[in-house]
Amino acid sequence: AQSVAQPEDQVNVAEGNPLTVKCTYSVSGNPYLFWYVQYPNRGLQFLLKYITGDNLVKGSYGFEAEFNKSQTSFHLKKPSALVSDSALYFCAVREEGNTPLVFGKGTRLSVIA
Amino acid sequence: DTGVSQDPRHKITKRGQNVTFRCDPISEHNRLYWYRQTLGQGPEFLTYFQNEAQLEKSRLLSDRFSAERPKGSFSTLEIQRTEQGDSAMYLCATALGGVSGNTIYFGEGSWLTVV
Repeated sequence: AQSVAQPEDQVNVAEGNPLTVKCTYSVSGNPYLFWYVQYPNRGLQFLLKYITGDNLVKGSYGFEAEFNKSQTSFHLKKPSALVSDSALYFCAVREEGNTPLVFGKGTRLSVIA
Repeated sequence: DTGVSQDPRHKITKRGQNVTFRCDPISEHNRLYWYRQTLGQGPEFLTYFQNEAQLEKSRLLSDRFSAERPKGSFSTLEIQRTEQGDSAMYLCATALGGVSGNTIYFGEGSWLTVV
């Protein structure tokens, strides 16, 4: 069965600095990887996904993520953090065959002005 | 707004009462998912539909929970004889089926508080 690990409960970064939110996954076949963001009392908003092709995926709001098959990782990155990026970030994975998304526990990002 | 719509957004109920949540999907999205999220946790899968057929149910979906999607459009999630442990946010999500890489889009969620 597929699983996702987000090793950091909280990431703090200064505004303007680069940010990284870590994610590792486990699947039996080819992974389909997703990042979502959640603001307080809101649903999840889709940021980006990796399906196939280029390992570097670009998404909404300047975020990008790098797929690394050998390390089974899909870390979320942004070159310059904004205070408005402060939110809860979820990594998710699904296997081929339209299985449901499996989510990590989430990482709270706090960007400090 | 053409996104996933959920109603009600907030529900407070007494233990033992029944509650029902509704989800209206993005038009033409034939896959519909229900997830549950508690504080400090990621969303946990409950069940999903392909059109009107319920294809998978999680072990988290006890006998008190039932979901329907009668005409392959909107869906309802009913919780009978609510317990305090049912307090959570219930998220609906939809996608175009047929391709594993299709994005799943979430609604704003329905918060349930059982007192």
